[in-house]
Amino acid sequence: RKEVEQDPGPFNVPEGATVAFNCTYSNSASQSFFWYRQDCRKEPKLLMSVYSSGNEDGRFTAQLNRASQYISLLIRDSKLSDSATYLCVVTVTGGIIFGKGTRLHILP
Amino acid sequence: NAGVTQTPKFQVLKTGQSMTLQCAQDMNHNSMYWYRQDPGMGLRLIYYSASEGTTDKGEVPNGYNVSRLNKREFSLRLESAAPSQTSVYFCASSVAGGMNTEAFFGQGTRLTVV
Repeated sequence: RKEVEQDPGPFNVPEGATVAFNCTYSNSASQSFFWYRQDCRKEPKLLMSVYSSGNEDGRFTAQLNRASQYISLLIRDSKLSDSATYLCVVTVTGGIIFGKGTRLHILP
Repeated sequence: NAGVTQTPKFQVLKTGQSMTLQCAQDMNHNSMYWYRQDPGMGLRLIYYSASEGTTDKGEVPNGYNVSRLNKREFSLRLESAAPSQTSVYFCASSVAGGMNTEAFFGQGTRLTVV
């Protein structure tokens, strides 16, 4: 079983719509959780951290469910500039584990 | 503020040639990482260094060696390049590999082995 699993997509979503991604992780000792964004041929960059209480940053909401070992990302009022690959990231002692990413295409 | 700097940005090698990818960070981070990214495969960890003086294998270490030269620098060496090592290589660093630590990435090295 892979350590971090994501639906690869692509998700093709009209501009203005709401889109949600989920990610599951296998290591119950995972310590920290993040969503990263990666644009084509660029390096990954942190989008937001994920906390058990849930956290929001503008149009983006992230949620962590430790009991079920999944992480979610919700994007509201999607913009063309949101088109990218979104990587679910989990840290364990000594390492950072990336999911393969979910591709999102926002359609005009 | 440079962050994580990788050199070179592009490289073409012939099968069997060797080369070293350089990575340096100026954020005083303890942990450094080397990943490779192939289409459809996501980021796969090659080696990491939790702190200066230590290195450990990741998911795909075969064909690579690393050196944590000092706290700032973490190099990746291909002793005898193979076409299967054609990939984009990313170096990253973080304060520490555990709790609540964001990873910062270099811009990547695009390596082609012919």
